Amino acid sequence: GAGVSQSPRYKVAKRGQDVALRCDPISGHVSLFWYQQALGQGPEFLTYFQNEAQLDKSGLPSDRFFAERPEGSVSTLKIQRTQQEDSAVYLCASSLDRGPSQPQHFGDGTRLSIL
Amino acid sequence: SQQGEEDPQALSIQEGENATMNCSYKTSINNLQWYRQNSGRGLVHLILIRSNEREKHSGRLRVTLDTSKKSSSLLITASRAADTASYFCATDAERGSTLGRLYFGRGTQLTVWP
Repeated sequence: GAGVSQSPRYKVAKRGQDVALRCDPISGHVSLFWYQQALGQGPEFLTYFQNEAQLDKSGLPSDRFFAERPEGSVSTLKIQRTQQEDSAVYLCASSLDRGPSQPQHFGDGTRLSIL
Repeated sequence: SQQGEEDPQALSIQEGENATMNCSYKTSINNLQWYRQNSGRGLVHLILIRSNEREKHSGRLRVTLDTSKKSSSLLITASRAADTASYFCATDAERGSTLGRLYFGRGTQLTVWP
C-alpha cells in the first residue's frame, strides 16, 4: 500500500489476555519503529528494527512485551498477560533508511484498551 | 523520558491568524522534526531542520532552530480550520542512542476557529 498500515485499529482485551498488533510498513523501508502513546502525551519509543534485526529494544516497558519482524517487512508487537497500564495507542513508523535525517511515516495506530 | 517540550500546551486562534508553537530540548541533536497529528490518526511529518540550519520554510510553515538555546519554533501563517491538530516536535540524539530514534514532546493542541 501507499502508507503504513496497522491492524487492528481498535483492540479491547481483558486483563491477563495476550494481544498481537500488526504493522505493514511502506514497501522497501529498512527501518521500523514501534512507539507507545498515552492519552494526551507524545509517542514514547519502544523498539527499533533494521530489516529483520531488532537493534534496540530498550524502550519495551517489561518482558511481557515482545516484537518481531522475521522477514524484514511486516512486524508484530505482542503483549502477554496484559495489564490496565498497557492501555494506550501503539504506533508503528517506518523510514527508508537508518540515517539520522529520515522522516518517519506513521500508521494510524492500534488503540488498545485493557478492561 | 521525553526530550522535547512544547509550549504552549494549547493554543486557540481564529482563521487567518498566525500560530506560533515553541519547543525546547535537552541534549545535542542531529536534527529536529515537527509532526502533526489529527485526532485518532497517526503522525504526519511536516518539516525537518538540521542542526546546522537556522531557518526553514515549507509553504505556510516556518521553522527556526537555535541550538545555543536548545529551542525551536514552528510558525503557521494564515491558519485555516483544517490546521486544527496536535503538533509535536521530535529530536534525535546526537550520540549514544539508536540512529533515527525520535524523542517527542507532549505536543501543542492547536484549535483554529472558522
